[in-house]
Amino acid sequence: DQQVKQNSPSLSVQEGRISILNCDYTNSMFDYFLWYKKYPAEGPTFLISISSIKDKNEDGRFTVFLNKSAKHLSLHIVPSQPGDSAVYFCAAWKDSNYQLIWGAGTKLIIKP
Amino acid sequence: GAGVSQSPSNKVTEKGKDVELRCDPISGHTALYWYRQSLGQGLEFLIYFQGNSAPDKSGLPSDRFSAERTGGSVSTLTIQRTQQEDSAVYLCASSLGRGGLEQFFGPGTRLTVL
Repeated sequence: DQQVKQNSPSLSVQEGRISILNCDYTNSMFDYFLWYKKYPAEGPTFLISISSIKDKNEDGRFTVFLNKSAKHLSLHIVPSQPGDSAVYFCAAWKDSNYQLIWGAGTKLIIKP
Repeated sequence: GAGVSQSPSNKVTEKGKDVELRCDPISGHTALYWYRQSLGQGLEFLIYFQGNSAPDKSGLPSDRFSAERTGGSVSTLTIQRTQQEDSAVYLCASSLGRGGLEQFFGPGTRLTVL
């Protein structure tokens, strides 16, 4: 059973526009949500996180929004740049488990 | 080194052979994780080490999989009698402290079982 779902396998966005990546989860007990970015032949790198008690966290061009009632979070990238082309993974963390539960990833393609 | 390193980067083996994958975490990171990523899938948790002990082995898919960590540093993941369904990228990550949120990943080992 998939606790973290990323329903869009890929997304194509024009350079300079906003990229919105979505993630849904089923377990209301998660304590943190994280986004990781992955380039081919490299391991994922941490991008941004949000505590379950917050509804927004911003870091430069990246903002994560959390809607707990809908069990939904999204990552906004504004403005999108060519170097943002990568696979983005949503992950959820429960303090008691020491585990990150991962979505399947969304491949973001930024078009020039 | 500055980051997490893994070896080999690629491994092709025949069905039924044993393989050993190695992970060198960032110096000082006490938590170490092994994950597996199959094609088109998210990361699947395999095992977590805190120091040399593994409080959570729940993700190991079968008794053919085992892992150890020595000196609170290097870890090896061993797969015995490999099967074709073991083909995947095996990723190692480390983090500061117990269950650190921000995990630092190595580049992975791509395992292909023929």
